[in-house]
Amino acid sequence: QKEVEQNSGPLSVPEGAIASLNCTYSDRVSQSFFWYRQYSGKSPELIMSIYSNGDKEDGRFTAQLNKASQYVSLLIRDSQPSDSATYLCAVNMNSGGYQKVTFGTGTKLQVIP
Amino acid sequence: KAGVTQTPRYLIKTRGQQVTLSCSPISGHRSVSWYQQTPGQGLQFLFEYFSETQRNKGNFPGRFSGRQFSNSRSEMNVSTLELGDSALYLCASRATGGPTDTQYFGPGTRLTVL
Repeated sequence: QKEVEQNSGPLSVPEGAIASLNCTYSDRVSQSFFWYRQYSGKSPELIMSIYSNGDKEDGRFTAQLNKASQYVSLLIRDSQPSDSATYLCAVNMNSGGYQKVTFGTGTKLQVIP
Repeated sequence: KAGVTQTPRYLIKTRGQQVTLSCSPISGHRSVSWYQQTPGQGLQFLFEYFSETQRNKGNFPGRFSGRQFSNSRSEMNVSTLELGDSALYLCASRATGGPTDTQYFGPGTRLTVL
């Protein structure tokens, strides 16, 4: 089992729709979770961080965390073509006594005008 | 506050050469991590440095090495370059690497090996 798993996509949604991106992780005691957006050829950019169970909203983005199910998701409301990118889920995991940021392989999102 | 900076932004080398990449973290950040990203591949973790000590290492051959200086700036070295080393090399920094720390990326160095 991979430490952080994401569906690679591509996930295609029409402009104005809600895009739902999902991520599962293996370390039950992880405490912090992040979503990054990466445009082709560019570096990842932090969108959201979440630490507690429930929802966290920031503009059109909502992160959802369920630690019991080891599941974190990102919802993008009113999707725009400019949201087309790869979305990386990242989890702080214990590694040899230290906290290591572990990334999923990313989900490619395509927003169709 | 200035972000993570990486130099150079682009590099072209030939097989067998060596290369050194540099990363300056966000002011106050003491943890620096390096990643390799190739087309179609996710982020591959190379290593992490904290207070001049390597504390995590990925599954890369010994040709890949790094170091961190007392001002938290970090360098990554790749010796005896191979064609497969062509990639985007990303540096990321965070404050201490604690359980709720957020990691921020630099713009990356695009390395092409001919």
